[in-house]
Formats: sequence, structure tokens, C-alpha cells
Amino acid sequence: GAGVSQTPSNKVTEKGKYVELRCDPISGHTALYWYRQSLGQGPEFLIYFQGTGAADDSGLPNDRFFAVRPEGSVSTLKIQRTERGDSAVYLCASSLEAVQPYNEQFFGPGTRLTVL
Amino acid sequence: AQSVTQPDIHITVSEGASLELRCNYSYGATPYLFWYVQSPGQGLQLLLKYFSGDTLVQGIKGFEAEFKRSQSSFNLRKPSVHWSDAAEYFCAVVPTRGGGGNKLTFGTGTQLKVEL
Repeated sequence: GAGVSQTPSNKVTEKGKYVELRCDPISGHTALYWYRQSLGQGPEFLIYFQGTGAADDSGLPNDRFFAVRPEGSVSTLKIQRTERGDSAVYLCASSLEAVQPYNEQFFGPGTRLTVL
Repeated sequence: AQSVTQPDIHITVSEGASLELRCNYSYGATPYLFWYVQSPGQGLQLLLKYFSGDTLVQGIKGFEAEFKRSQSSFNLRKPSVHWSDAAEYFCAVVPTRGGGGNKLTFGTGTQLKVEL
């Protein structure tokens, strides 16, 4: 079956612009996660959704970052007034319900964001 | 502070040689432990996981890992490395307390190079 897909695969923007990054999870997965991976680092958690609601947004770096998942499937990560420090690969993952012990998270290929 | 440490940034091994990648964690209670692999242009792929029980866990692609509580370690091993194993490897954890929704915390990664 289809895995997690992310669009666009690459996004180049100018400082100060607004960007949207999209994630299509695996069908039937109710949990959706966003991570950010800066060069030479491991992925860092940003936010996760259980269904339509953001269950934990503690990883969002500031109020320029926002994510939605209005119908409990596709999610969009929105970044306002982009800064050069936002340049990174943004990863999306989905899983069955986020309960413990653990339902495996399946990762998409990521969106590489470059802010000039 | 809670952390995941991968002491080796880069490792080079010859094809056919054995491999061990180190991972140490610092958490009050033993977290759930994972190893992921990230190949160029590919999404993160789960190699193996440890929740409880047998401390030696088998994963995909011939990898195994051993959990050692006394050393707070979860090292990844492979008896004979193939050129296709060249990739970046991440150790990751999910805390078992605190209701974190299964958000992963990753180490900084170890880049594996395989010499033919």
C-alpha cells in the first residue's frame, strides 16, 4: 500500500515569506507527527495529532509555526515569516493510535526547505 | 536531563567486517528503545525496537541490538556489513512515563561508510 507522502519534496523560499508543507499519512492512521531535521542532527519533534486535534505541540519553536489536520487525515505545516534558521528537512510520520507500548511510526521522505 | 547519545559521528568499516554502533540514554525509567536507518533520499526506516523482555533483539537486514540496563546502552550490531548498509543510523527513545504520545527523541546519528 501507499506510504506516507510529503509535498513538495523541495521548497526554496525567501526570508520573510510564508510556506506550507503537506503530509498525506497512511490511510487509517489516526496519529500524525511532524519532525524537523537540521543538517547533521537527528530529527526533532515538533507536533503530533491524534485525529484532528493537536495533542502535543511542545516542539514548535515559536508562534511562526502552526500545523493543522482539519479532517483527521492530511496535515499542513505552516511557517510564517520564514527565517534562514528554518532551513531543514521537515519529516512527517503516521501511526495507528498513539498509545503505549508503541505503534510504529512510518516516515515520509521529507520536505527539504531552504530559506534564502 | 533526559538525553540520547551516539558518541560516534562517523564510522568506516570494510565490507564483510563486523559493526557495532553505540547508543546511550539518560532517563529516569528505561524508555522504549529504537534504531532507525536513513539512506540518502529515503525516509527513516525502523530497524528494530526494544520494549521489555529478552535483551537481545533481532531486526531487519541482519541487524541486532543488545539492551544493557547497567550501562544504559542499546548498541546496534551486525556480524558482516554489506556495502548497501552505508547510511546514517539513529538511536531513538520514547519515554515510558509522562504520557508523551509516543513522540520520538533521536540521537544525533552515526554516519556509516563501507569500504569495498
